[in-house]
Amino acid sequence: GENVEQHPSTLSVQEGDSAVIKCTYSDSASNYFPWYKQELGKRPQLIIDIRSNVGEKKDQRIAVTLNKTAKHFSLHITETQPEDSAVYFCADPLPLTGRRALTFGSGTRLQVQP
Amino acid sequence: KAGVTQTPRYLIKTRGQQVTLSCSPISGHRSVSWYQQTPGQGLQFLFEYFSETQRNKGNFPGRFSGRQFSNSRSEMNVSTLELGDSALYLCASSVGTDGFEKLFFGSGTQLSVL
Repeated sequence: GENVEQHPSTLSVQEGDSAVIKCTYSDSASNYFPWYKQELGKRPQLIIDIRSNVGEKKDQRIAVTLNKTAKHFSLHITETQPEDSAVYFCADPLPLTGRRALTFGSGTRLQVQP
Repeated sequence: KAGVTQTPRYLIKTRGQQVTLSCSPISGHRSVSWYQQTPGQGLQFLFEYFSETQRNKGNFPGRFSGRQFSNSRSEMNVSTLELGDSALYLCASSVGTDGFEKLFFGSGTQLSVL
C-alpha cells in the first residue's frame, strides 16, 4: 500500500501486562501484513505476518488480527517481558513490486517496565 | 544459512563526496530492496532489484542509484552527499512462499555525512 498509519508512537507497560499496536492501511488490494521488531542498534526482524484470507494468527505470546472492512490490523503482545522492549513496525507491500518491497508504519517504541 | 550481509557497517563522509554500499542477500534470494532509516522519517523505501533489474524506485532524488549483479548481490550509490543523507541504510532480501514474499534485513550501514 501507499500509506500505513501506526499508533501509538510510544507505549509503556508494566511487565506482565498486554500491549496493543494498531495500523491502518489505505490500499484495499493489500493482502499481506508483516510486523517487524527492531531492538536498539539491531536489524528489523520479522516476528509475525498475516495474509488477508485469515482474521487472526498467533505465535506464542504474540498475535496479529486483521479487519479488512475497516482496513486495520493490530499486533497484540501478552504477558510482556523486558526483552519485548523495542520499536515495532507494521508494513504493507508496495503496489507493483510483486510484494518484494514494503511501506512501513512510523513505528511504536514499546517500553516494558520491570 | 548466512543472513543478509551489509558492508561496511559504519561510514563517515563529507559533503560532496560519493559513497557505495554493498548488500549480499541470503543464498537463493533473488530480490533485494533498500531502505533509508532516520529518526524523523522512519523507514523509507529507496529501490528494489530483481534479476539484475531495478523494478521499483521510491521518492528519492537521482543522486541515489543502485544495481544488482548476476549473483544477486546489490550495491547502492549516493553521489554528491548532503548532510541530510546521514542515516542507517538497510537492505533486505526476499523469497517467495506461496506467492507471498518474506523480507529479511541486514544490519545496515550507518552513514554519517559531515
